[in-house]
Amino acid sequence: DQQVKQNSPSLSVQEGRISILNCDYTNSMFDYFLWYKKYPAEGPTFLISISSIKDKNEDGRFTVFLNKSAKHLSLHIVPSQPGDSAVYFCAASANTGGFKTIFGAGTRLFVKA
Amino acid sequence: KAGVTQTPRYLIKTRGQQVTLSCSPISGHRSVSWYQQTPGQGLQFLFEYFSETQRNKGNFPGRFSGRQFSNSRSEMNVSTLELGDSALYLCASSPGTSGRRDIQYFGAGTRLSVL
Repeated sequence: DQQVKQNSPSLSVQEGRISILNCDYTNSMFDYFLWYKKYPAEGPTFLISISSIKDKNEDGRFTVFLNKSAKHLSLHIVPSQPGDSAVYFCAASANTGGFKTIFGAGTRLFVKA
Repeated sequence: KAGVTQTPRYLIKTRGQQVTLSCSPISGHRSVSWYQQTPGQGLQFLFEYFSETQRNKGNFPGRFSGRQFSNSRSEMNVSTLELGDSALYLCASSPGTSGRRDIQYFGAGTRLSVL
C-alpha cells in the first residue's frame, strides 16, 4: 500500500528550463510534506517542506505547491541546472508524535547542459 | 560539526545469518530513524528512537529490531536474513525538539547484500 506515489521514475529537462516533479498521496491524515534530494553514494538531503495550512512555499529556485483537495504536490525548479541532476523523494507525515515519514519511490531528474 | 556516520558502509551476509548496523547521529541530536531503500520502493520507514525509546514503528517483521543508547547512538539488527533484505539501510538524525517538523539529516547508508 503505497501512500505516497511518485509516478514518474525519471524526468529529463534542458538546462535553464523548468523541472516539475509530481507526487500524489492517499492518506488524508498527512499534513506535512517534504522533498529530499539524493546524489549517488550519499544520503538524502532536505530540500524544502510545506505544511497543509499553506498551498505554496518558495526557497530560491525551488517552489513546492500543495493541492489538498487533489492530494497532490509538486516541486518546481526554475531555472534547472546540471547540478540539480539527482533523485528527488517526496515525503509526507501525519501527527503521530515524532517521525513516521512516508517516502515515495523517487524521481530521477536529468538536467542536460 | 560531523554528520551522521553509518558503519559499516558495505556488508555481505548469507541467508539465515544476523547483522547489526550502527549509526552515530549528529552531536546533540536525540532522534534517530532508520529506513530501508530498495529499487522502486523508495525509502521504507523502519522505526524511530528518541531518548532511548522507540517512538514510532513501520510495517516490518519482528526480525528487524533496533535500540538507542544514552549517547543517542543507535543500532539496527536484522535476524535470520532473507534474500529480500538486500538493500541500502539509511539512518537519519534530528534534534527531536520540533517533532516531525525537524529536518532529518541522513547518513550515506549501509549497503547490505544477502547471498
